[in-house]
Order: sequence, then C-alpha cells, then structure tokens
Amino acid sequence: GAVVSQHPSWVICKSGTSVKIECRSLDFQATTMFWYRQFPKQSLMLMATSNEGSKATYEQGVEKDKFLINHASLTLSTLTVTSAHPEDSSFYICSARTSGSMPFFGPGTRLTVL
Amino acid sequence: GENVEQHPSTLSVQEGDSAVIKCTYSDSASNYFPWYKQELGKRPQLIIDIRSNVGEKKDQRIAVTLNKTAKHFSLHITETQPEDSAVYFCAASTTRVIQGAQKLVFGQGTRLTINP
Repeated sequence: GAVVSQHPSWVICKSGTSVKIECRSLDFQATTMFWYRQFPKQSLMLMATSNEGSKATYEQGVEKDKFLINHASLTLSTLTVTSAHPEDSSFYICSARTSGSMPFFGPGTRLTVL
Repeated sequence: GENVEQHPSTLSVQEGDSAVIKCTYSDSASNYFPWYKQELGKRPQLIIDIRSNVGEKKDQRIAVTLNKTAKHFSLHITETQPEDSAVYFCAASTTRVIQGAQKLVFGQGTRLTINP
C-alpha cells in the first residue's frame, strides 16, 4: 500500500513558540492532504483539507492564522502551529490521497506544549 | 455537512464471542464507509470498507453491513480474540469530486475490550 510519513513523530515545545509538522507521501503523488487533530480518548477531528498549489480549506472553528498549512508539492504538506499553547497539545495526523483513491494515514505527531 | 454517530462508546466481550458496532450518518451523498482500528498512539488502520452500491462485505472474521435507506452501517467481528482489543472508528465520505468533499468524517469511536 501507499506510504505516508510524518516528521517529527513527537515534539515538545515551550508556550509561545511555533512548531512545524511535515507530511509526505513517499511513493505516490497526493493531490489532496488532510490534517486531523486527536485529543486523548477522542475521535479524529478534521482541521483542514489542502490541495497542491492552492489555499487550504479549514473546518469551522479552526483558526487559519494559527494553523498554517502549506501544500507546496504533490508529496509534501506542512502544518505550522503558531504561538503554541498547552491547549494545542494533541496528536496531529495527516492523510493523503490521489483523486478517487482512499486516503492513507501518516503515523501521527505527538505535540506537547509546556 | 456530514455527521456520523457511533455506538457504543465502550464494548466488552468474552473471547470467542461476537462484537457489533453501529454507526449512523446524515448526508445521503456519502457513498464510502470505512472502518478503522486504532491502537494507542498509532495511526488508524483500515480494516474494511464498503461502498454504497453494496449491502454487505466480509473479510474473514470481519464484516460490514450497510443500510442506505436508514443511513446506518455496522461492523461485525466474529470469534473475537484478545488482539482485537483496540479503538474502532467508523467514517463516512463521498467520493464525488466536489470542492470540500472526499473528506472523511469520523464517528466518536468504540473502545473494544476482549476478555480472555
């Protein structure tokens, strides 16, 4: 099956700093990538959908200025959590797909903001 | 937009018994219904999926049924084993190429525990 990677797998940062998470499709070109956030013992909540070369579409309630998404190529999307605070601590998971295919999930990134 | 409800939130069964998890969805345009198994700290793993032109699909001990009219679908696991213990999520999506579509909306999850 298709492989999606994320980097880093975990990160600890101080409150007020920014953190960038990368999502890469390793063996296919992803026309669309999705970013999810999962709090402990909760479901995956879609944050935004990004298509290569265009602006991301954010879900209701997700601040686009706080969660910056860049989908610069067909194999890479980045999520930057700006001015992170402890309430942003969560498990961030990306998924990637080509048109008509099912999505493939990355392994997730555990963010802890102190 | 789509809304997916999943029940129960927790389920405990004896090893060897069957487990059933149910989901309902709201958007009649949804036509793709995957089920995922997620272990702690790991990515969701697709275990089975069904499309709206099929009413039932089976893969060894796992089966999924879909009732389009009632907008509900269920996961059935037979002959449960301890390694089936995990959190299971249903999801719904449309495969139509519409801006903002083709995104998966997840149910709340079911924590399944198989007791030896």
